[in-house]
Amino acid sequence: NAGVTQTPKFQVLKTGQSMTLQCAQDMNHNSMYWYRQDPGMGLRLIYYSASEGTTDKGEVPNGYNVSRLNKREFSLRLESAAPSQTSVYFCASSEERGQGTSPLHFGNGTRLTVT
Amino acid sequence: EDQVTQSPEALRLQEGESSSLNCSYTVSGLRGLFWYRQDPGKGPEFLFTLYSAGEEKEKERLKATLTKKESFLHITAPKPEDSATYLCAVKGGGSEKLVFGKGTKLTVNP
Repeated sequence: NAGVTQTPKFQVLKTGQSMTLQCAQDMNHNSMYWYRQDPGMGLRLIYYSASEGTTDKGEVPNGYNVSRLNKREFSLRLESAAPSQTSVYFCASSEERGQGTSPLHFGNGTRLTVT
Repeated sequence: EDQVTQSPEALRLQEGESSSLNCSYTVSGLRGLFWYRQDPGKGPEFLFTLYSAGEEKEKERLKATLTKKESFLHITAPKPEDSATYLCAVKGGGSEKLVFGKGTKLTVNP
């Protein structure tokens, strides 16, 4: 039982390049999330999907787009990477539809550096 | 605006030396307070959810408690494998947002 799987684990981009971070969960969870974690700051929500076919902006959505491809997969796209997007990106899932109180299950992150 | 403040930022203990981590919060209508553990290079791992003041939950050497203003994560007789960053998060009734604190980095020396 893999839980939440993120690919790639590491990525280096040049300013202006684009890329897609992939996330898949095998727990049949309804909600999925993308967070970023930066030194000295708490986890910040970028986008979330309360159910298949829906997506909503979180706290820091600028510069990102998302796609809930199906119930299992939720991808995060950077169209034109900027150095400010250097961060560790975590995908998470939870059982409830919407941001309820069921716990989040996190992947192990993608470490992205933009030069 | 919902806020979470964790203290201390870092804590060093000797093996067996019990202590507590603090999570102070301000939220409009607490729906849940969450504790997570994060190991280096890994994603956060869920530990506990507390819903109302007076509630306590335990898991091995960890015990989480909740008051109307703060939560404590008590660590009894810690071992080196308890070394990690512990994250606190709250969800309020006023917004759908889960707000995370910056974490406490715990190091337990053998």
